[in-house]
Amino acid sequence: DMKVTQMPRYLIKRMGENVLLECGQDMSHETMYWYRQDPGLGLQLIYISYDVDSNSEGDIPKGYRVSRKKREHFSLILDSAKTNQTSVYFCASSLWGWEQYFGPGTRLTVL
Amino acid sequence: SQWGEENLQALSIQEGEDVTMNCSYKTYTTVVHWYRQDSGRGPALIILIRSNEREKRSGRLRATLDTSSQSSSLSITAAQCEDTAVYFCAPQGNTRKLIFGLGTTLQVQP
Repeated sequence: DMKVTQMPRYLIKRMGENVLLECGQDMSHETMYWYRQDPGLGLQLIYISYDVDSNSEGDIPKGYRVSRKKREHFSLILDSAKTNQTSVYFCASSLWGWEQYFGPGTRLTVL
Repeated sequence: SQWGEENLQALSIQEGEDVTMNCSYKTYTTVVHWYRQDSGRGPALIILIRSNEREKRSGRLRATLDTSSQSSSLSITAAQCEDTAVYFCAPQGNTRKLIFGLGTTLQVQP
């Protein structure tokens, strides 16, 4: 069953707290992505991972970092979250960059 | 921005009507992906058209690609209420990255 999972689905944090968003996929895709989606701005690429420990900045990496120690898992970390990081975060995976399979999203609110 | 203004719009049609959504791009593109996103869910690929294809069909969907004008379109024939969603086009060059447009919100009224 081809699936991308994200945990948690909803998260409320206070400004300055650390945030960990987790993503998993069961398709053995080597490429994984983190996006954020805000009204009127579409999907913006934060980071792309080409495989384990092979990560590259996307268009808006400032304030974020990622970790990929296993092919099936990709984490997004916000150190000292800011209110402007309130957003919906999507993880996706793909085989060699073709069709991207998206997770259900995590709605993060930073107060 | 990579996109023309026509890429951010909202359309409202009646069930049974045909609809066409357009997008333009400015980067080197080898394939255009079209995704739909239902409310509260992640985007899902609905059709993909390569630069050597001028047209691609999948059920009631038809995508076109004009590399000379750097534009693509997605048409839905006889739209149904379940076609209500946000539709994104996303061109891709020789990298694994997609450039998502701002999307077209389609509302199909019964």
